Amino acid sequence: QVQLVESGGGVVQPGRSLRLSCAASGFTFSNYAVHWVRQAPGKGLEWAALISDDGTKKYYADSVKGRFTISRDNSKNMVYLQMNSMTAEDTAVYYCAREGGYCNSAGCYSWFDPWGRGTLVTVSS
Amino acid sequence: SYELTQPPSVSVSPGQTARITCSGDALPKKYAYWYQQRSGQAPVLVIYDDSKRPSGIPERFSGSSSGTMATLTISGAQVDDEADYYCYSTDSSGKERVFGGGTKLTVL
Repeated sequence: QVQLVESGGGVVQPGRSLRLSCAASGFTFSNYAVHWVRQAPGKGLEWAALISDDGTKKYYADSVKGRFTISRDNSKNMVYLQMNSMTAEDTAVYYCAREGGYCNSAGCYSWFDPWGRGTLVTVSS
Repeated sequence: SYELTQPPSVSVSPGQTARITCSGDALPKKYAYWYQQRSGQAPVLVIYDDSKRPSGIPERFSGSSSGTMATLTISGAQVDDEADYYCYSTDSSGKERVFGGGTKLTVL
């Protein structure tokens, strides 16, 4: 079945770096874009980053732009999120999610499905 | 920055109809998507393209959109439907991807 599994979370000091991984299985990975979405403790969902199916297009939320880098290795069915210059505001559960969607004459439409179970990142001294 | 606005909470008795709204200026042009997040679990897509239901989602879940408001309706809500529900969409350019603040549905 389609599955996404995040790893790499943990406790990191402010200003330091951390790399998250997302392992995909059960589908043709190279055909799908992948997103990272995060959720601070007790808060709502926040979209963070997107990488296209071939890895050539990358998009970021303003809150992480310039600090986070999304990448993928289609030979390994993996997506990564490199997080630098981390602050307490980056404390969250980080989910990876496959993009579903389509394009027609009216435009392109996409959603997140499925999601992984998430990995917790805590930024604290 | 673009915003989607949801009520913080909705409460219904079992068997009643729950309606959760999501308002945003771009919704007349952009589809709304709805996610269910049970406590301690990952979000699950329950409605896409305003009103379409993914396979495996019960028929009691439906969606609609009119003007600047999208609505998730749960007909005959069950205790098992207690969860946080998030709407998602983009701004009119499609560049800003935004979730609503979430609505806690209580069924008791």
